[in-house]
Amino acid sequence: GNSVTQMEGPVTLSEEAFLTINCTYTATGYPSLFWYVQYPGEGLQLLLKATKADDKGSNKGFEATYRKETTSFHLEKGSVQVSDSAVYFCALSDSGGSNYKLTFGKGTLLTVNP
Amino acid sequence: GAGVSQTPSNKVTEKGKYVELRCDPISGHTALYWYRQSLGQGPEFLIYFQGTGAADDSGLPNDRFFAVRPEGSVSTLKIQRTERGDSAVYLCASSSGQGPGYTFGSGTRLTVV
Repeated sequence: GNSVTQMEGPVTLSEEAFLTINCTYTATGYPSLFWYVQYPGEGLQLLLKATKADDKGSNKGFEATYRKETTSFHLEKGSVQVSDSAVYFCALSDSGGSNYKLTFGKGTLLTVNP
Repeated sequence: GAGVSQTPSNKVTEKGKYVELRCDPISGHTALYWYRQSLGQGPEFLIYFQGTGAADDSGLPNDRFFAVRPEGSVSTLKIQRTERGDSAVYLCASSSGQGPGYTFGSGTRLTVV
């Protein structure tokens, strides 16, 4: 079945540091890939997505590129802010008729200190 | 409403009791999803509704779990004879069509003691 493995946290960075959170996946077919973010006390929010190989998703300074050859979708940001402190989840959706179903990684807690 | 609303936000119940968790999706969203997030894990799919019908309930862990959406809007997740292992955050999401770009609610934290 499908699975997502993401970098274990917690990750602690200073403001303006470079961020990478690794994510690799196992799936049949051609899944779409996602990063969701959960700020303290809030629901999961879609951060970015990519639907096919070599697509780059980007939002709020975050980027991730769908790499089929390495089955990866690593999240990066060049300069993090304190407000980026949250839990980040990598996810994939089934391909085909069950594309509504998301498989999530375990999440990575990011803390950014001033 | 402006977002997906889930009530209650917290629920503590005794082992063996029955509980109902409510989800009020974004107005006009035809698709509704339930996920369960155990401590230290990512959310896991439970069930997907398209309109009033459960299009996919393959993620429900056993027959103690049941969900309804009688009018194609509000949904209720029902858990009978609760067990301590049912303790988790139950997340609801909705979307305007089939597909994973959906909006999640803040969840209901269920604790079975």
